[in-house]
Amino acid sequence: ETGVTQSPTHLIKTRGQQVTLRCSSQSGHNTVSWYQQALGQGPQFIFQYYREEENGRGNFPPRFSGLQFPNYSSELNVNALELDDSALYLCASSRGGAIGNEQYFGPGTRLTVT
Amino acid sequence: AQSVTQPDIHITVSEGASLELRCNYSYGATPYLFWYVQSPGQGLQLLLKYFSGDTLVQGIKGFEAEFKRSQSSFNLRKPSVHWSDAAEYFCAVIERDSNYQLIWGAGTKLIIKP
Repeated sequence: ETGVTQSPTHLIKTRGQQVTLRCSSQSGHNTVSWYQQALGQGPQFIFQYYREEENGRGNFPPRFSGLQFPNYSSELNVNALELDDSALYLCASSRGGAIGNEQYFGPGTRLTVT
Repeated sequence: AQSVTQPDIHITVSEGASLELRCNYSYGATPYLFWYVQSPGQGLQLLLKYFSGDTLVQGIKGFEAEFKRSQSSFNLRKPSVHWSDAAEYFCAVIERDSNYQLIWGAGTKLIIKP
């Protein structure tokens, strides 16, 4: 069984640019959640996708957007990057949207905005 | 405001000593409660969770946690730590009747002294 994978591992962008981060969910999982983890802090929920539809969103502006594909992999897009967007971006997959279903996390993408 | 608090930023314990990591939440109703561990370069891993029932919950890697409603706490314990337990530990909650998003504490970094 393949775990959750994310690409790229690290990324450096300039303020104002756009970035796309990718996540492949664990086999058999149809739900993907994205989190932003700033240095020294806990993760912050960005949004969740269930069967290709957004299923919940945290307190992030619209320049944070996402997609989920028929194979349940997912993308996180961030437009007009700001310095405060520098963080570790985590993707987690789970089987269904139920609370009891464990979320499995990928290793993250470290984004640095200069 | 509703929140999850981990009062200790770092904790240092000797190998073989016991461990307790604190977590408090401020929600009207008891949320669903989780503890995760994050090791350098690895994804977050679920240690244990509490939804209802027995207030002492057993998890992986020899960890346990006790839910105390009167104190709004869900502290993580281990009787004897190993050097491999050095990592960052996060307490997280899902508010009942929410859209299932995880709300995280800021984390506690565990340092093991030889």
